[in-house]
Amino acid sequence: KAGVTQTPRYLIKTRGQQVTLSCSPISGHRSVSWYQQTPGQGLQFLFEYFSETQRNKGNFPGRFSGRQFSNSRSEMNVSTLELGDSALYLCASSLEGQGGQPQHFGDGTRLSIL
Amino acid sequence: DQQVKQNSPSLSVQEGRISILNCDYTNSMFDYFLWYKKYPAEGPTFLISISSIKDKNEDGRFTVFLNKSAKHLSLHIVPSQPGDSAVYFCAAKKNIGNEKLTFGTGTRLTIIP
Repeated sequence: KAGVTQTPRYLIKTRGQQVTLSCSPISGHRSVSWYQQTPGQGLQFLFEYFSETQRNKGNFPGRFSGRQFSNSRSEMNVSTLELGDSALYLCASSLEGQGGQPQHFGDGTRLSIL
Repeated sequence: DQQVKQNSPSLSVQEGRISILNCDYTNSMFDYFLWYKKYPAEGPTFLISISSIKDKNEDGRFTVFLNKSAKHLSLHIVPSQPGDSAVYFCAAKKNIGNEKLTFGTGTRLTIIP
């Protein structure tokens, strides 16, 4: 069974640009969550999508947005990139995102802002 | 406000001995807890979880203990193997609805051969 797939694996952008990251969940999983990992900060929750709707949102500015398609694939967009957006962006999927269901992670997209 | 804390950034353990990783939380609404293991350049891998209705859950070499009154959980790895060297993250969520996972900052475990 294929795991969570994230593309691209690495990305270099400059300040002010915008970027789109992609995530394909495990087949059958309908909940997709996004996290940002920076050194010393652990994983910070960005948002969660289920059935093409954003169900949960973390404390990130509006420059961070996402969407989910009917096949459960998800994209995350960051506009007007800042140096502080350099991080590993991780996507995780679970069956329904409810109760005692573990989330399964992809290998992430490493975003570097110059 | 760090609601899930892993106070030990690193831990070194001899191969074959027990590794104990600790995690504290402050939010009493958390009632589902997970441990993830992360190798460099890979995403976190789910290891084991525990619901607040239990105080222990075991899976092979991995055991998680939950002390609700102390708001503390620990992961025991016995016996420790070189492949266990990784960063371990503790995570918590509210087991109602569709709450997000709140992660600790991780503990780097090094197993010494």
